[in-house]
Amino acid sequence: EAQVTQNPRYLITVTGKKLTVTCSQNMNHEYMSWYRQDPGLGLRQIYYSMNVEVTDKGDVPEGYKVSRKEKRNFPLILESPSPNQTSLYFCASSLTGGTGELFFGEGSRLTVL
Amino acid sequence: QQPVQSPQAVILREGEDAVINCSSSKALYSVHWYRQKHGEAPVFLMILLKGGEQKGHDKISASFNEKKQQSSLYLTASQLSYSGTYFCGTEQNYGQNFVFGPGTRLSVLP
Repeated sequence: EAQVTQNPRYLITVTGKKLTVTCSQNMNHEYMSWYRQDPGLGLRQIYYSMNVEVTDKGDVPEGYKVSRKEKRNFPLILESPSPNQTSLYFCASSLTGGTGELFFGEGSRLTVL
Repeated sequence: QQPVQSPQAVILREGEDAVINCSSSKALYSVHWYRQKHGEAPVFLMILLKGGEQKGHDKISASFNEKKQQSSLYLTASQLSYSGTYFCGTEQNYGQNFVFGPGTRLSVLP
């Protein structure tokens, strides 16, 4: 089944404790991206990747890191999480960039205390 | 730059029509439309490309006015299943970051 898989789905952590949210797709998509969703603000792009080893900042990259060493994986790293990073995170992928349908993962709800 | 969506929210009775607008101050390469139900991930509806035509499937269609940098989503004879938050997403050039609007909450009542 074609899908985007995120883990963990739910996480409660404390300020400053490094964490990684994994994202994997099995559709051989070139484009992958991360979004955070907060009430009233819609989906804001954190980072995106057009292909392996190519990553670019979105609108809200501060406090986040990503890497794209393999085509299928695009982990989101929070080196030192802070409470303002409490949010719902979505990973998405598409065959190509903006011209392709975005397939979303189920979301990861992160709470930073 | 985040596109602007209007209205912010709309309430309909089953069978009524609705239009949701999405506009940008920048020239656009593509416009996407997605629907998100509460507690779920966004689901793709359609893409409109610069120079492209109006698209639609079932009773949902969309248009893209390149001169105004505006896209509209048309929901005809709405069904209960149309309820959710609708997001437009825009890309100014191929390969640039993809930006979503703040969303329009649509509620369809029996």
